[in-house]
Amino acid sequence: ETGVTQTPRHLVMGMTNKKSLKCEQHLGHNAMYWYKQSAKKPLELMFVYSLEERVENNSVPSRFSPECPNSSHLFLHLHTLQPEDSALYLCASSQEGLAGTNTGELFFGEGSRLTVL
Amino acid sequence: GQNIDQPTEMTATEGAIVQINCTYQTSGFNGLFWYQQHAGEAPTFLSYNVLDGLEEKGRFSSFLSRSKGYSYLLLKELQMKDSASYLCAVRDLGYGQNFVFGPGTRLSVLP
Repeated sequence: ETGVTQTPRHLVMGMTNKKSLKCEQHLGHNAMYWYKQSAKKPLELMFVYSLEERVENNSVPSRFSPECPNSSHLFLHLHTLQPEDSALYLCASSQEGLAGTNTGELFFGEGSRLTVL
Repeated sequence: GQNIDQPTEMTATEGAIVQINCTYQTSGFNGLFWYQQHAGEAPTFLSYNVLDGLEEKGRFSSFLSRSKGYSYLLLKELQMKDSASYLCAVRDLGYGQNFVFGPGTRLSVLP
């Protein structure tokens, strides 16, 4: 148990569906992240929220839409996805310090395995 | 830009020692991390280096040379449960202080 919970663990959706992934962290951290993990590829950073403000949008297609209503919750809204979006989506959190002192490690959730048909 | 390189796969025998290497290029180095990821599970934090030298944590040690852009993770007295992927990640000041991950090294420990 890492203190970061993701639901659902598995999701199968058609290309025209709308679904959402949910992440909740119980660690009191001030930053949350979405990563994409595809087979044989490095973890790809998608979005970063620090103090509930989005600070990174790593050229992610608009069919992925993040939402961070508070420091403990993070959502990834999915709409008209493509088969190549099938992957493991990992949520993570960390405790960020002052500028130049960010050394907090990431705590990951178990991931949501997404299959797009 | 960022680039992190690790071997794709390694195999070792139970009870042995294995060294997993990682080389990196970043715009602004601010720490190197190693994570362990068992199949179907979340990556978990193993170690952190920001200064040159060796950090030891039980059976696991991690080494960093900033001038060479090089790190390694050393696993001693290998156990079957050490079979997993090992991810090298660097905090990059030129990337918003965010983590850049390597492709991961899949380690298989054989009896």
